[in-house]
Formats: sequence, C-alpha cells, structure tokens
Amino acid sequence: DTEVTQTPKHLVMGMTNKKSLKCEQHMGHRAMYWYKQKAKKPPELMFVYSYEKLSINESVPSRFSPECPNSSLLNLHLHALQPEDSALYLCASSQGPVVNTEAFFGQGTRLTVV
Amino acid sequence: QQQVKQSPQSLIVQKGGISIINCAYENTAFDYFPWYQQFPGKGPALLIAIRPDVSEKKEGRFTISFNKSAKQFSLHIMDSQPGDSATYFCAAAENNDMRFGAGTRLTVKP
Repeated sequence: DTEVTQTPKHLVMGMTNKKSLKCEQHMGHRAMYWYKQKAKKPPELMFVYSYEKLSINESVPSRFSPECPNSSLLNLHLHALQPEDSALYLCASSQGPVVNTEAFFGQGTRLTVV
Repeated sequence: QQQVKQSPQSLIVQKGGISIINCAYENTAFDYFPWYQQFPGKGPALLIAIRPDVSEKKEGRFTISFNKSAKQFSLHIMDSQPGDSATYFCAAAENNDMRFGAGTRLTVKP
C-alpha cells in the first residue's frame, strides 16, 4: 500500500470557521509533510514532521496549526483563514528523517475560503 | 522559497519526439533530486530520482542527467506520447526539506 489518503477532497469555509484537514498513511513512514499549491504554481513547503515532532515550519501564519497525533496521521487545523489561503493542500510522507527517499503525495484537499 | 530554477515554463513536442526540461540549484547541501509529474486535480507522482554521486539514471523512457559541478540536472523524455502531457516539477532535497522548481507544462501533440 503506497497510498497517502487526504480528507476531505474539497472544503469550502468561511473566514470565521474552524476546520481541519486530515492525512493518513500506513507505509510506516516517519516523515510527513504539508505543502500548499496555488494554481499553476509549484507546491510550497509548509511543515515537516519527523518522528511525530515538528522539524520544519516555513514561517507559516498561526492560522494554520499542524498536528501529528501518531506516526500514521497528520492534521492541519484551520482557523480565521483569508480568501488568499484558497489553494490545494497536499500531504506527503517519506520513509525517514535522515535518508532522502521517495515522497508519496496524496491527492490533496481543494480549499476555498469565502 | 524558490531555490530551484526550472526551464522552460512550457514545452510543446510532437509525438515521438524528445522532451527536455532543465533545472539548476545553488544549495550544495541538496543530496536528492527527484522529478515529479502532476496531472490536473491530482497530487504529484514521482517519476525518477537521482543522487549526486551518479551522473545519469534511466528508467524506461525517462532519463535524468546530473552535472554536479555545474549544479544542473535535466529530465529527458524519449519517444514522448500524448499521455505524457502534464506538468513536470524538478525538486531538490536536503534531509527531508524538499523544494520544487516552478514547473514545466508539457504538451505532446499527436
């Protein structure tokens, strides 16, 4: 099973809402990532978790709050977002924090902030 | 965040032709260089990857050429097919910090 599952696939939320994006993998990977991708742009790194600990935070606004409850799950909690936060949010995982190996991406959550 | 420069922005190739996409990087700490293919509405999927101790890697119709001294690497798609029409991203990683190039939109005409 080389699958990274993201839910929901689509999300529309108001600027005062609180919502969460979920990501799950069962490949035994110990590194998990959140990327943000705007239309016709490359994925931009937001957060990296290694062994369930936050190892990289790319100066992401606090309205995005990541959480890694266990080695298989990664959440992204959203609060008070702005319309410019509308994008495709991609989760990825890879084998471990030391050796670079293949990163598997999920299909993404298409987020629209209204 | 753009630490990897990719060109061209778009590419049109005839069926059966060779598609070539180029990338350059500055950070010599990068030690893993993957190429991803992305179709509209989908997540990126790994095509092929290389490490800096190898100058070339081939998998089927896809070849990466890597020039460590010039800090450049390229993707060659041989016998390009209409089904290869997608956006291609090069990337470079240090530990698990992976950065993407701007992307190349490839169109293969029948």
